[in-house]
Amino acid sequence: GAVVSQHPSWVICKSGTSVKIECRSLDFQATTMFWYRQFPKQSLMLMATSNEGSKATYEQGVEKDKFLINHASLTLSTLTVTSAHPEDSSFYICSGLIVRTGMNTEAFFGQGTRLTVV
Amino acid sequence: SQKIEQNSEALNIQEGKTATLTCNYTNYSPAYLQWYRQDPGRGPVFLLLIRENEKEKRKERLKVTFDTTLKQSLFHITASQPADSATYLCALPRGSQGNLIFGKGTKLSVKP
Repeated sequence: GAVVSQHPSWVICKSGTSVKIECRSLDFQATTMFWYRQFPKQSLMLMATSNEGSKATYEQGVEKDKFLINHASLTLSTLTVTSAHPEDSSFYICSGLIVRTGMNTEAFFGQGTRLTVV
Repeated sequence: SQKIEQNSEALNIQEGKTATLTCNYTNYSPAYLQWYRQDPGRGPVFLLLIRENEKEKRKERLKVTFDTTLKQSLFHITASQPADSATYLCALPRGSQGNLIFGKGTKLSVKP
């Protein structure tokens, strides 16, 4: 299967600082990547859709000025959590899509990033 | 609004038995449904996709059924092993770009 590499796998930061998370598709080109957030015992919630070369599309309730997304190349999307607060502590996961024959899509996920804001 | 429910938060079974997980959805007519496995602290891993016109799909010890009338999918693991212990998520496509909505998942524990 395709590989999506996410870095870092965990990070602890002080309240008020910014954290950048990288998501790379290693063996396929991802024109679209998705960023999810997962709280304990909850489902993955889509935060935004990242499109290469254009602005990201944010889900309702997600602040675009707080969660900055950059998708400058076909293999790299970054999520920056700006002015992080303890309530931003969560598990952040990115995914890239491959469209198979018959228009079936298969999502490949990164390893996830555990963000803890203290 | 579209909803996905995996009504068992946790399922404990004995090794060798068949595990059956349920996924129900409402207000939705998806073209396909997917199942993923997620281990603690890791991203989900794709397992199976079943299309709306398919009743059943198999992959090794995995079997998925899809009943569009009941709006339900069943996920079976036969001859379960402790290594099958994980959280299993069902997901449906949403939108034209391929993003997914996920159920909360069912945590499966297989005891030796």
